[in-house]
Amino acid sequence: EVQLVESGGGLVKPGGSLRLSCAASGFTFSSYSMNWVRQAPGKGLEWVSSISSSSSYIYYADSVKGRFTISRDNAKNSLYLQMNSLRAEDTAVYYCASSLELWLNYWGQGTLVTVSS
Amino acid sequence: QSALTQPASVSGSPGQSITISCTGTSSDVGGYNYVSWYQQHPGKAPKLMIYDVSNRPSGVSNRFSGSKSGNTASLTISGLQAEDEADYYCSSYTSSSTLLYVFGTGTKVTVL
Repeated sequence: EVQLVESGGGLVKPGGSLRLSCAASGFTFSSYSMNWVRQAPGKGLEWVSSISSSSSYIYYADSVKGRFTISRDNAKNSLYLQMNSLRAEDTAVYYCASSLELWLNYWGQGTLVTVSS
Repeated sequence: QSALTQPASVSGSPGQSITISCTGTSSDVGGYNYVSWYQQHPGKAPKLMIYDVSNRPSGVSNRFSGSKSGNTASLTISGLQAEDEADYYCSSYTSSSTLLYVFGTGTKVTVL
């Protein structure tokens, strides 16, 4: 069974940092691109960042470029999102999702990040 | 780069068919056959329902179908059931220099 389990969310003050993790199992993690997608409370989905299977290609939404860093460790079947200089507008549930081609086939249950003083 | 445009809500009675539209531009929906659709129940993660415009992943009911014409993609749910009540989001690959994927604004489907 495919599982993606996010962790690392929580309450952080504006300007602070958090590191999200996503543990994958049940599929060949190293063959898939991985993605972070977020959803602000009561709002729609927003793509945040993607990383190719070998980390050769990395993409970011303009809204997080320069502040967030995506990375992965294929030996540990894990995906990460380092979030710095956090803002109130970064408050959201963060989902990790896998992609073999240009669609998101498996999703985790999400982890909530709240940025507030 | 703006989100793809979807109707805020669509409703139908059990057994009926409904269609959700998703309008973009030639830089996303109209330019590529990489439109996907996701179903999201309250408090749950999104679930892939359609990929590459009209393909269903294994395990997704054949009551769900997708199509595209020009810059507008559509998701049709036939034989509407109570369990179909959820939010639905379209998504497309985009050639925008600032995005890889763009999502739709989301549509709340209500089963009357």
